[in-house]
Amino acid sequence: DQQVKQNSPSLSVQEGRISILNCDYTNSMFDYFLWYKKYPAEGPTFLISISSIKDKNEDGRFTVFLNKSAKHLSLHIVPSQPGDSAVYFCAASAGGLVGNYKLTFGKGTLLTVNP
Amino acid sequence: GAGVSQSPRYKVAKRGQDVALRCDPISGHVSLFWYQQALGQGPEFLTYFQNEAQLDKSGLPSDRFFAERPEGSVSTLKIQRTQQEDSAVYLCASSWAGSTDTQYFGPGTRLTVL
Repeated sequence: DQQVKQNSPSLSVQEGRISILNCDYTNSMFDYFLWYKKYPAEGPTFLISISSIKDKNEDGRFTVFLNKSAKHLSLHIVPSQPGDSAVYFCAASAGGLVGNYKLTFGKGTLLTVNP
Repeated sequence: GAGVSQSPRYKVAKRGQDVALRCDPISGHVSLFWYQQALGQGPEFLTYFQNEAQLDKSGLPSDRFFAERPEGSVSTLKIQRTQQEDSAVYLCASSWAGSTDTQYFGPGTRLTVL
């Protein structure tokens, strides 16, 4: 049972345009959400996160939106650059008494930004 | 500064062999995590250490999997009597201290069991 779903295995956009990556989750206990970026032969690199008490978090070209009622989050990259081409993983954790260490990942979306 | 390093980067084992995978976390990081990433899947949590204490091993798939971090720094993930379904990339991550701190991942060890 996949608790974090990334339904688009791949996405292709033109340089300079907006990239929108989507993620859905089923576990209502999740209260912290993250996006990681992964290049081939490297480990995932943290990109941006959002707590469930917020609905938006912005960091430079990257913005994450959280819609708790829909159990949906999205990552917007504006403007997209060729160096953004990578696999993007959505991850979530449930804090509570034990903290937010156990990350549950989606399967990832391969983003290709064409020059 | 140095990131998380893992060795070996690639390991081929015959079914039934034992393997040991090493993780060197970022210096000073208290928390250490192991994840398993099967082909086409996202990483899946295996186990969590705070210093030398293994606080959570709920993700270890069977008793053939064993992890240790005896001095609170380097960690080893051992898999006994490897099976074909153990083939995956094994990722190690570390974080400063608190359980909510950002996890920094190593490049992973790709294990192939023939």
